[in-house]
Amino acid sequence: AQSVTQLDSQVPVFEEAPVELRCNYSSSVSVYLFWYVQYPNQGLQLLLKYLSGSTLVKGINGFEAEFNKSQTSFHLRKPSVHISDTAEYFCAVSEAAGGYNKLIFGAGTRLAVHP
Amino acid sequence: GAGVSQSPSNKVTEKGKDVELRCDPISGHTALYWYRQSLGQGLEFLIYFQGNSAPDKSGLPSDRFSAERTGGSVSTLTIQRTQQEDSAVYLCASSFGLPGETQYFGPGTRLLVL
Repeated sequence: AQSVTQLDSQVPVFEEAPVELRCNYSSSVSVYLFWYVQYPNQGLQLLLKYLSGSTLVKGINGFEAEFNKSQTSFHLRKPSVHISDTAEYFCAVSEAAGGYNKLIFGAGTRLAVHP
Repeated sequence: GAGVSQSPSNKVTEKGKDVELRCDPISGHTALYWYRQSLGQGLEFLIYFQGNSAPDKSGLPSDRFSAERTGGSVSTLTIQRTQQEDSAVYLCASSFGLPGETQYFGPGTRLLVL
């Protein structure tokens, strides 16, 4: 079974500051890793994902994440945030094999960007 | 093209009533997923349909929950004898079903059980 831990439930930050949202996972099998974003009153949208290859993954809206297998982490970063980045961010995993594509989500991190 | 659509967007019902939630996936997507988002439980997987294979029902919380997918397209999630703890946002997603593929989510149905 897999589990995902998002270490911060809320992250307040000022506009144009850098931000890191932390995600750790636990799994006995190889997994794929995802970050989804949910803007207020909207559905979930994929930011980026790691399947294989380069451990640094770039996504939409200037976000990037780094897969660290030894630390079982997949932290999300952005060098300079905007007010419009205010949203809830979810880290998720799915099994890399076996056809089990269901996503296991973390509890979410609410990013609040202040002017 | 059109994304995943869900109806109704909001549903208020009384405890003990049955409800049906509908999901229209993206055309051509063979995989369809239901998730539930609630304050106490976060985002949790409910059920997964892939083509003509038997669905993965491992996330359904009780036998009051069931889902079907007709003709490999539209899906209906049914909750019988609703309880207050069923109040949540029910999200549907679809994809081509390949491992690691992006799932595209609908806007959700917000269910309130009084």
